[in-house]
This record gives sequence, C-alpha cells and structure tokens, in this order.
Amino acid sequence: GQSLEQPSEVTAVEGAIVQINCTYQTSGFYGLSWYQQHDGGAPTFLSYNALDGLEETGRFSSFLSRSDSYGYLLLQELQMKDSASYFCAVQKKAGTALIFGKGTTLSVSS
Amino acid sequence: NAGVTQTPKFQVLKTGQSMTLQCAQDMNHNSMYWYRQDPGMGLRLIYYSASEGTTDKGEVPNGYNVSRLNKREFSLRLESAAPSQTSVYFCASSGWADSNQPQHFGDGTRLSIL
Repeated sequence: GQSLEQPSEVTAVEGAIVQINCTYQTSGFYGLSWYQQHDGGAPTFLSYNALDGLEETGRFSSFLSRSDSYGYLLLQELQMKDSASYFCAVQKKAGTALIFGKGTTLSVSS
Repeated sequence: NAGVTQTPKFQVLKTGQSMTLQCAQDMNHNSMYWYRQDPGMGLRLIYYSASEGTTDKGEVPNGYNVSRLNKREFSLRLESAAPSQTSVYFCASSGWADSNQPQHFGDGTRLSIL
C-alpha cells in the first residue's frame, strides 16, 4: 500500500515559526510537493523537493530527506492569512499523478 | 487569465441521475486531473490525463468516466449518481505530469446527491 501521514491540526500565534511534517510510504518516489488551501477553495502550489535538502521561497521553506521518507514545510513569521490547510503530495514516478496526504489545518491566532 | 474553469459551481442531483462536470484550461497544459475532496480525506485522484488522447484511473475511479475532449477540456461524468458521490470535485492541470510542474486548480464543483 501507500500512505502519507501529516498532523491533522497545528496551532500557532502570529510571528511564530511552525513546521508541518509529512512522512510517506510509497512504492516509488519521484518528488514531494506542498499545496495550500484556504477555506475549501482552490489549492495552490507552494513548493517542490526532488532531492534532499531545503528549498526556500520567501517565508516558506520545504525540506526533504529521501532516506527517511520524510519532509516538512516550514512557515516563518506567521501571519493570520496563513491560516489554511496544507497538503503534502508525493509523485511516485515521472509522468504519473500526485498522491495527496489528508492535510494539516493550521490556525494562526493573534 | 482564467486559468482552470469548472462548471457548474454547485449542483444538486437525485440518486440515479447522470451529470457531466466540465473543466477547461487556457494555459496550454498537457496534463489534466480530476479529484474529489471529502471532509478529513484530503484530495483523492479520480482520473487523470497525462496528455491529450490518454486517460488513466486514479485512486477512486469507480462510478465515474472521463473524456479528454481536446487539449483544453477534460470532463467527468457520473452515469448514475449515488449519495456516496456527494463531494467537492476539483479539476487541475499542469504543464506535464511531473511534480516539479505545479498543478493549477479550478474553484471546484460542490455536488450533492440526494
């Protein structure tokens, strides 16, 4: 089988740093992506990792360890608008579709 | 830019009725996808089309059919709707079916089956 595990909920305060973890067990691995979804709207792409290490895009960073089948999304300088659901997604091989995790709901309070 | 356009945005059906959900993209993307999203279940792939002329089953294809009408359009059909198909349906597209190619999503179709 295949599975992606991520926490169902995370809470934090404005200005803080939060890390959302994703562990995966899949028969093959090509890349790990992260998507953000506000209030059931259209998911939007945040980042992508194919190789081990950290990818930084503004306040958001994503990390991958292929040997540990693990990645995380790091959100810095949290803002209220970051309150959303965050999904990790694995592609098992090139040319195939993504497999999404169940999502992590992030609540940011003032 | 319109991006990915889904119609209708909302629909209520009776059990046993048929329905086609429409999706069109204007980004000249090769790959298109249909997902359903249920509470606590994340996004589950129904079908995808890696390129024009091809379609493949995803995780939950039973009860659905798809047609890649041309490069722009990818429709999802429910032949005999069942209450278990009540969900939010998202269409997405990407340049190619590679995870370094971001998927662009439509705003979704909220479908209720009574």
